[in-house]
Amino acid sequence: GAGVSQSPSNKVTEKGKDVELRCDPISGHTALYWYRQRLGQGLEFLIYFQGNSAPDKSGLPSDRFSAERTGESVSTLTIQRTQQEDSAVYLCASSNYGYTFGSGTRLTVV
Amino acid sequence: TQLLEQSPQFLSIQEGENLTVYCNSSSVFSSLQWYRQEPGEGPVLLVTVVTGGEVKKLKRLTFQFGDARKDSSLHITAAQPGDTGLYLCAGAVINFNKFYFGSGTKLNVKP
Repeated sequence: GAGVSQSPSNKVTEKGKDVELRCDPISGHTALYWYRQRLGQGLEFLIYFQGNSAPDKSGLPSDRFSAERTGESVSTLTIQRTQQEDSAVYLCASSNYGYTFGSGTRLTVV
Repeated sequence: TQLLEQSPQFLSIQEGENLTVYCNSSSVFSSLQWYRQEPGEGPVLLVTVVTGGEVKKLKRLTFQFGDARKDSSLHITAAQPGDTGLYLCAGAVINFNKFYFGSGTKLNVKP
């Protein structure tokens, strides 16, 4: 596609539920990144994909967080047993050289 | 602990004024980028600098990469309300595989 597409744009979930966030990168971009942005903060790195392998998962905050990618296409970030501190905007970027970001998924855990 | 420190955190100025935003680190970066983010949107890349001492100009915006590749600045001349947003710097430490972001400078330009 023309840009990076993320869905849903907003998600409100109850504490303890699982959520799946989706990212469609720019066609042909082999690198894909997930970042988290808390209100008024900078971006916190979560995970990086090169193709469908994840050479750097160092930013995933706990084992409740996981991500996968199908080929060089769609990626899904899954958060299990959500907690209130997971509330944030989750941003996906695909990269040729500089990042192109999606508009993010705003997750609110109540 | 932030790898990149940005200052100031907040800046509110009148239209027509000049401003400078700073991005500092004790780490050396192979490249550094500046992004601008508006509410409800993802960050948009403004510039990439890769050479120590490099200066890049983008209309009224001037970006400088420090000689030691540890710091950078963004200077805006004659700011306009359309410049309002969150400015983020991001540095790649070694092999470009990921960028570390600063906490951002929130700029408000009043008409």
